[in-house]
Amino acid sequence: EPEVTQTPSHQVTQMGQEVILRCVPISNHLYFYWYRQILGQKVEFLVSFYNNEISEKSEIFDDQFSVERPDGSNFTLKIRSTKLEDSAMYFCASSDLGGGTEAFFGQGTRLTVV
Amino acid sequence: AQTVTQSQPEMSVQEAETVTLSCTYDTSESDYYLFWYKQPPSRQMILVIRQEAYKQQNATENRFSVNFQKAAKSFSLKISDSQLGDAAMYFCAYVENYGGSQGNLIFGKGTKLSVKP
Repeated sequence: EPEVTQTPSHQVTQMGQEVILRCVPISNHLYFYWYRQILGQKVEFLVSFYNNEISEKSEIFDDQFSVERPDGSNFTLKIRSTKLEDSAMYFCASSDLGGGTEAFFGQGTRLTVV
Repeated sequence: AQTVTQSQPEMSVQEAETVTLSCTYDTSESDYYLFWYKQPPSRQMILVIRQEAYKQQNATENRFSVNFQKAAKSFSLKISDSQLGDAAMYFCAYVENYGGSQGNLIFGKGTKLSVKP
């Protein structure tokens, strides 16, 4: 069964460093998303990506963040100059259509900023 | 702005019994979708059930069913014949359905379900 895969599963980084979280969406999907879940809190939308550009982003997704689809399979989230409060679980998701279609989630990357 | 509220941080159920998880939401839209996602300890979010707002009939998926009350903006999940494998965090989520919607989900805070043998 097709699935969304994320690497790494856990990343520890020093405050101020840059990290890149990687995702391989399901191959025939067209919409890609990043969500964040701070420990003990709800899952929050960060950004959606369609047709090789950002389609929507939340207030959380400021200039510190960027997304890229460098090739036909990967979808990355870059966080520049990480802060302690960036520590969270980051989920990638993809769907074949937008709107109310099912989004398939990856297993997440736990980012710890120390 | 749309919001999703899950008022039960934790719930517990005996194996083989039935449990209902609550969810309310706030929106001014009439066309949207509602979801319940399950997040087991493995962390991956798995879709449990999906409801289209324009459908009056409550969605069912095997042991999982919803009670969708559109006027009350309520969307509860009923799990029948609970199994040990049902133990997980359950998230209620909302997404608008309009031509420009990218499918960005709005989640509640989640309900942690424990299943006792």
